[in-house]
Amino acid sequence: AQRVTQPEKLLSVFKGAPVELKCNYSYSGSPELFWYVQYSRQRLQLLLRHISRESIKGFTADLNKGETSFHLKKPFAQEEDSAMYYCALRSSRGDSSYKLIFGSGTRLLVRP
Amino acid sequence: GAGVSQSPSNKVTEKGKDVELRCDPISGHTALYWYRQSLGQGLEFLIYFQGNSAPDKSGLPSDRFSAERTGGSVSTLTIQRTQQEDSAVYLCASSFSSKGEAFFGQGTRLTVV
Repeated sequence: AQRVTQPEKLLSVFKGAPVELKCNYSYSGSPELFWYVQYSRQRLQLLLRHISRESIKGFTADLNKGETSFHLKKPFAQEEDSAMYYCALRSSRGDSSYKLIFGSGTRLLVRP
Repeated sequence: GAGVSQSPSNKVTEKGKDVELRCDPISGHTALYWYRQSLGQGLEFLIYFQGNSAPDKSGLPSDRFSAERTGGSVSTLTIQRTQQEDSAVYLCASSFSSKGEAFFGQGTRLTVV
């Protein structure tokens, strides 16, 4: 079964500290992995996707197929990074490529 | 419009009543999705539309839930005989194609009392 697991409900760090939000997935095949972010009172928006291999707002995520992980990292957290982060998986085969499967989310709190 | 629009933004209803939630996708987006966001549960997939047809309704939790999409644009999610466990934020998203980036609306917060 396709599943996305985010083991931490809350991650609290101090400003300037490194951040790693964990995401593990279960999928047989080649998935597409995404990180979505929801800032306070804003809509859910795409942060980054593994196929683009880019850094957005200082965040990066590397797909590790051996460990079935897609952890989100940032070397120096900022207060404005405080938000809810969701890891998501989309199957990339056949006609089932439409469904995004989300994890339960991790709330990141960056303290001053 | 500039983004996905959902209405109403908040809805309080009495248990047993029917509710309709509306989603206006981004113009030109053929794919439309409904999700439910419950506290601590992440986003639960409900239904997916490609154009006016719904090839995947597997996420609808019961037969009290239904959705339609007309003209390849606006979609309505209907919940009949609402129950307290239906209380959640219902999110709509659209994308240019089934493989494109999904853009989300602000959601409708449904409270069943």
